[in-house]
Amino acid sequence: AQSVTQLGSHVSVSEGALVLLRCNYSSSVPPYLFWYVQYPNQGLQLLLKYTSAATLVKGINGFEAEFKKSETSFHLTKPSAHMSDAAEYFCAVSRLTGNQFYFGTGTSLTVIP
Amino acid sequence: NAGVTQTPKFQVLKTGQSMTLQCAQDMNHNSMYWYRQDPGMGLRLIYYSASEGTTDKGEVPNGYNVSRLNKREFSLRLESAAPSQTSVYFCASCWDRDQPQHFGDGTRLSIL
Repeated sequence: AQSVTQLGSHVSVSEGALVLLRCNYSSSVPPYLFWYVQYPNQGLQLLLKYTSAATLVKGINGFEAEFKKSETSFHLTKPSAHMSDAAEYFCAVSRLTGNQFYFGTGTSLTVIP
Repeated sequence: NAGVTQTPKFQVLKTGQSMTLQCAQDMNHNSMYWYRQDPGMGLRLIYYSASEGTTDKGEVPNGYNVSRLNKREFSLRLESAAPSQTSVYFCASCWDRDQPQHFGDGTRLSIL
């Protein structure tokens, strides 16, 4: 069963514009949530994680995400896009039991100069 | 800091050949994972090992076997490669489910 849904497989923004990448999870119990970034020909790198300490999570490179239990969402945002933000972004969850992680299908971000 | 090291980085096989993908981590992590990444499908879990001495199937285990050789090493074996196994394979490790995974740089495998 799909645990993570990323809406929009491709997102394009202008340099300096707001970045919004969407992630929804399906779980009756709030899981652990992660955002990763993947640059071409590289592995995934952690951007940020939510583990119930705070609903607004700040990550690296100016990214942040807000956990909204009522909407089962964990959307990723950045106020001002930079050319170097062009990459593939993955949302992932793990549950409170078991050791598996579940990944969304990814969103490719293009930044237009 | 090496992190997660995967070998080889690239490989081309013929249908029916076998090979083993190697993964090693130097962070003393308990759990290790093998994923495959295909266009439009994200990362799909093949097998994982929650701790040394244990392995479990993930979403797409058919055609693969794994060995958790010790705490550091987790290998993935293709016994009889098929073109459908052409993919990019990633190894990852972590302390526990509430901790982020650390990924290797991937193995790009083509099966002709």
